[in-house]
Amino acid sequence: AQSVTQLGSHVSVSEGALVLLRCNYSSSVPPYLFWYVQYPNQGLQLLLKYTSAATLVKGINGFEAEFKKSETSFHLTKPSAHMSDAAEYFCAVSEVVGYQKVTFGIGTKLQVIP
Amino acid sequence: IAGITQAPTSQILAAGRRMTLRCTQDMRHNAMYWYRQDLGLGLRLIHYSNTAGTTGKGEVPDGYSVSRANTDDFPLTLASAVPSQTSVYFCASSATSGNTGELFFGEGSRLTVL
Repeated sequence: AQSVTQLGSHVSVSEGALVLLRCNYSSSVPPYLFWYVQYPNQGLQLLLKYTSAATLVKGINGFEAEFKKSETSFHLTKPSAHMSDAAEYFCAVSEVVGYQKVTFGIGTKLQVIP
Repeated sequence: IAGITQAPTSQILAAGRRMTLRCTQDMRHNAMYWYRQDLGLGLRLIHYSNTAGTTGKGEVPDGYSVSRANTDDFPLTLASAVPSQTSVYFCASSATSGNTGELFFGEGSRLTVL
């Protein structure tokens, strides 16, 4: 079974600082990995996804993630945090078992300090 | 573009009552899903439907039922609500039931069972 571990349920950064949200996965097959963002009182929306093409994936709002097979990681980064980045971020892994089974991490809440 | 519409947005319900959460999408997506989101547990799949006329059980299906009479609608029913079903429920859809499909989420239905 596939799984995802997000390290740090809460992360605080200063405005303009680097954002690094960690995600490690477990998978017996080449993984399909996603990052979703959830703003307060909203549903999740896709930030970016890895589907075995380029290992460095660029997403919306200046975010990117690098797939590292040797480290089983898919960390999310952004060079300079903006106040509007304050949200909860979910790493997820997808597999097909008769349906698209998406396993989500528990989420990391990002706080941006002015 | 509406995407996915969920109703109600919020509901307080007495234990033992029957409740149906509605979900409608206008994207003509084949696959639809119901998740519940609980603090510290991330999102867990309740039921899914790969296409109209078919449904399947996810990770936490007990106490819930779904139907998929047509492409657009995917209601979730709690036959006899219990306090442990207090949660935020998200309906989602995907154009494909394959591995790389992006999930599109509604804005959620917050349910409190007393």
